[in-house]
Amino acid sequence: EVQLEESGGGLIQPGGSLRLSCVVSGFAVSNNYLSWVRQAPGKGLEWVSAIFSGGSTEYKHSVRGRFTVSRDRSKNTVYLQMNNLRPEDTAVYYCTRDVVGAGIWYFDSWGQGTLVTVSS
Amino acid sequence: QSVLTQPSSVSGAPGQRVTISCTGSGSNIGADFDVQWYQQFPGTAPKLLVHNDINRPSGVPDRFSGSKSGSSASLAITGLQAGDEADYYCQSYDNILSGVVFGGGTKLTVL
Repeated sequence: EVQLEESGGGLIQPGGSLRLSCVVSGFAVSNNYLSWVRQAPGKGLEWVSAIFSGGSTEYKHSVRGRFTVSRDRSKNTVYLQMNNLRPEDTAVYYCTRDVVGAGIWYFDSWGQGTLVTVSS
Repeated sequence: QSVLTQPSSVSGAPGQRVTISCTGSGSNIGADFDVQWYQQFPGTAPKLLVHNDINRPSGVPDRFSGSKSGSSASLAITGLQAGDEADYYCQSYDNILSGVVFGGGTKLTVL
């Protein structure tokens, strides 16, 4: 059974850093594409970043240079390092397993999410 | 402002059929990138409802169906049930933004 479980969220001051973790089971992070998708309170979904099976990464423009996605194959875990956090980064962050191909990119499995609140 | 445009809300009576539209542009849906639909209940994670424009994952009732034409897509729900009341999001890829894009979401109310 495919499962994703996020952790690491919390309250952080503007300019601070936080690292989110996503432990997966039922598949290997090294063989799959995984993304982070966030949802601000009362708002819609927003793709943030992705790490591909080959190890390359992509980011939404507004987080590029501040966020870094990585993975640990031995722990079957994906991370999102978030630096220089801003109030507008406040959201529930979901970890997803992606299906990617020619003209195709979607999220077939989701974690339960972890809440990040950036506030002084 | 979302890249994909959805109505903020739709409603229908039990048993009726409703449709939710998703309008994009030539750099996403119109560029022939596939469209997906997700269903989200309050306080829970989104769930994949339709992928690759028209396909349903195992376990999703055939009351839910997707379609696409040009730069727009639609989700149709037939035989509306109280348990369908949720938020629905469309999603695709944009080759100018070089990333995944979502619609702003549509709240479905069952009257």
